Amino acid sequence: QQQVKQSPQSLIVQKGGIPIINCAYENTAFDYFPWYQQFPGKGPALLIAIRPDVSEKKEGRFTISFNKSAKQFSLHIMDSQPGDSATYFCAASGSFGNEKLTFGTGTRLTIIP
Amino acid sequence: DGGITQSPKYLFRKEGQNVTLSCEQNLNHDAMYWYRQDPGQGLRLIYYSQIVNDFQKGDIAEGYSVSREKKESFPLTVTSAQKNPTAFYLCASSMGSEQYFGPGTRLTVT
Repeated sequence: QQQVKQSPQSLIVQKGGIPIINCAYENTAFDYFPWYQQFPGKGPALLIAIRPDVSEKKEGRFTISFNKSAKQFSLHIMDSQPGDSATYFCAASGSFGNEKLTFGTGTRLTIIP
Repeated sequence: DGGITQSPKYLFRKEGQNVTLSCEQNLNHDAMYWYRQDPGQGLRLIYYSQIVNDFQKGDIAEGYSVSREKKESFPLTVTSAQKNPTAFYLCASSMGSEQYFGPGTRLTVT
């Protein structure tokens, strides 16, 4: 019940396309859903996060869509660029105090020119 | 300049030796975490600490030890009991839900 399932494992998209990465969770106590971006040899960077009181959140070219009834959330990258090529992780946690994150397994995204 | 520092960036050790990885944060965060990442893999939680002088095992604590004597510091010792210690080690800290990562230490044991 603690798992977060992420798909696809890898994704190749042409420049300007809209890659979509999906995550699903089972634990209904989760109410904080961040996405992290990781470049090779670097630590993950917090990209964008959403809470269940909204169905969508946008920050620049990055959008999270959230479906509470389906227990699913997804990351969309608008007008994707080769510099967006990285590994993306979704995660989930409760929000009572400093709760640990449960991470998805990651999606390796490649944007080709 | 606020953030999380991990040192060194690369670390090499001989099999059978204990090694300690440093993690320091000046974000005034209460909670700190250690993760292990293997090539092409996700993040696995080793230990976490929500407050000074207290810490809990994560999913893969065997062969590792930690201490939390100061709020800003959370060192990780990889002991000789850890069967496959070669990996990328990431430290993180959080205040509430938002968790931030350090740059990582790549440990190679031969």
